[in-house]
Amino acid sequence: NAGVTQTPKFRVLKTGQSMTLLCAQDMNHEYMYWYRQDPGMGLRLIHYSVGEGTTAKGEVPDGYNVSRLKKQNFLLGLESAAPSQTSVYFCASSWAINQPQHFGDGTRLSIL
Amino acid sequence: DQQVKQNSPSLSVQEGRISILNCDYTNSMFDYFLWYKKYPAEGPTFLISISSIKDKNEDGRFTVFLNKSAKHLSLHIVPSQPGDSAVYFCAARARGSTLGRLYFGRGTQLTVWP
Repeated sequence: NAGVTQTPKFRVLKTGQSMTLLCAQDMNHEYMYWYRQDPGMGLRLIHYSVGEGTTAKGEVPDGYNVSRLKKQNFLLGLESAAPSQTSVYFCASSWAINQPQHFGDGTRLSIL
Repeated sequence: DQQVKQNSPSLSVQEGRISILNCDYTNSMFDYFLWYKKYPAEGPTFLISISSIKDKNEDGRFTVFLNKSAKHLSLHIVPSQPGDSAVYFCAARARGSTLGRLYFGRGTQLTVWP
């Protein structure tokens, strides 16, 4: 039982490069979320999706884009990476809004 | 503007004793609260939750207490074990949320020593 799987686990980018983080869940969950966690901070919501084909902005969406073309996948894109986007990124999913979110193990991203 | 606050960055407790982790919130619309545990290099794992219609919820060694008038909740771990050493996040969801958005505190590092 994989649950929520994030790829890659680590990545180093140069400023201005682009990349996509992949989140896949095998629990048939409708709701999916992308968070970032910075030192001394709680998790902050970047974008979320309430179903296939739908996405919306969270608390810190600037510099990121997302897509949910398939129910099981939620992609987070960085169009032009900046050092301020150095962080650990977590994806989460839940089958209903009143149910706990299940998290992946995170992607550690460093931007030089 | 931190709506969920965990004012103690760290807590150190001896094995076998009680660990009490605290969380305060400012938004009176919050009606569902969760605690997550996080080990290094892993994602947060759901631990226990409580709805605002209750003031206590138990699950084995873990109990969460909610004081709505004080906008305060606490997680009690009894007895504490070395494997409980982790970062604990408090999270809250607002009443009527159609999105399930959670607001997280900054976490408390719990260390349980033998």
